[in-house]
This record gives sequence, structure tokens and C-alpha cells, in this order.
Amino acid sequence: AQSVTQLDSQVPVFEEAPVELRCNYSSSVSVYLFWYVQYPNQGLQLLLKYLSGSTLVKGINGFEAEFNKSQTSFHLRKPSVHISDTAEYFCAVKSFQKLVFGTGTRLLVSP
Amino acid sequence: DVKVTQSSRYLVKRTGEKVFLECVQDMDHENMFWYRQDPGLGLRLIYFSYDVKMKEKGDIPEGYSVSREKKERFSLILESASTNQTSMYLCASRPGLAGVETQYFGPGTRLLVL
Repeated sequence: AQSVTQLDSQVPVFEEAPVELRCNYSSSVSVYLFWYVQYPNQGLQLLLKYLSGSTLVKGINGFEAEFNKSQTSFHLRKPSVHISDTAEYFCAVKSFQKLVFGTGTRLLVSP
Repeated sequence: DVKVTQSSRYLVKRTGEKVFLECVQDMDHENMFWYRQDPGLGLRLIYFSYDVKMKEKGDIPEGYSVSREKKERFSLILESASTNQTSMYLCASRPGLAGVETQYFGPGTRLLVL
């Protein structure tokens, strides 16, 4: 079965600074990867997903992620964060008919 | 606008009580899911359903059961609540059968078992 690892449980960053949230997946022949975001007191919503094609995937709210097969990574990036990006971010991988989620990374943006 | 609703945002129950968590989606999705979310553990799948009256165990089904009598409604049942079931419960729905479609989540139910 597929799995993902999010190494950072919390990432503090100042407003307007760049940020990278790391995600590594277990190796497989084909892999489908997702990033979801959970704002405080809300459910999760999809940020972006990689199914095939271009390894650079653009999502909502200025986020993007790069699929790197050789490093089995799918890191999420944003060049300049806002206070409103404070949330928990989950990486996920398709495994059979389900998604397997990572443990989450809490992004804390300070003024 | 797509919508997944959960019957309660907050719930307090006593040990041994039978607890029902209800989830309704208005998008005619085939698939529905129940997760629990705990700090440091992320989301863990309890049960899912890919059709009416169908259910599949997820990764942590012990102590839970589910019911899907109608396509739009998926219920999670704690037969005899225990303190270790105190958690945030998230419901989600998803169209299609390929497994790569977007999942839509409800706002969650925070359950406290005393």
C-alpha cells in the first residue's frame, strides 16, 4: 500500500516570505498525489493534485507543487505567504480506491 | 456550490452511550468516507462506502459501524462510546470510481466522550 511522510509537523514563517512544505511518498509504479488544506475550524479542501503530465502543478491561492520521481517527493511551495495561509496542510496519495493522508504540517504565518 | 454537512459541530457523550454521527452530501456522489483526525496522526480512514448499502472497512474500523441507506447520507455509529474515541470526525464524499477525483469534506464533528 502507498504511504506519504510529512517530516515537518510545524513550519513558522513570516508574512511575505517563501515557504516549502515537504512530502515524500513511498515508491510505486504509478502514483497520484494530492495536497489538501484545512483552515481553522473547517474541513479540508483540495489545493492541487498530480495525476500525470507536467511535474509542476499549480493550485489555488498561489500554491504549487513539484513531483520529483527520483527523490519520491511532492513538496508544496508558495513564493510569498499571507497571514491567511495559516492552516494545516496535508499531503495524500491514492492507494487503491482510497486516499492515504500524511500526518499534516501546521503552517504558522506571523506578521 | 458543493456541500457536505455534518449533523453536529460539537458533541459531548458519556462512556457506553450509543452515538450517531450523520453526514449528508448534495452532489449525488457515489463514494462517502468517515475519517477521524487526531493531533500528530493526521486523518485515518474508519469506513467508506462506494454505493448505497455497500461499506468497506478502512484502517481503524474497530468500535465503529456505518450505515448507508440512501445515496446522500452516510452515518457513523459508535455502538458503545469510549474515551479513546474522543476525536474530530470528518466526513467526505467523492464522485466517480477512479479514485483520483476531488474529495469534498464536511466541517467536522468534535466529539468528547466523558
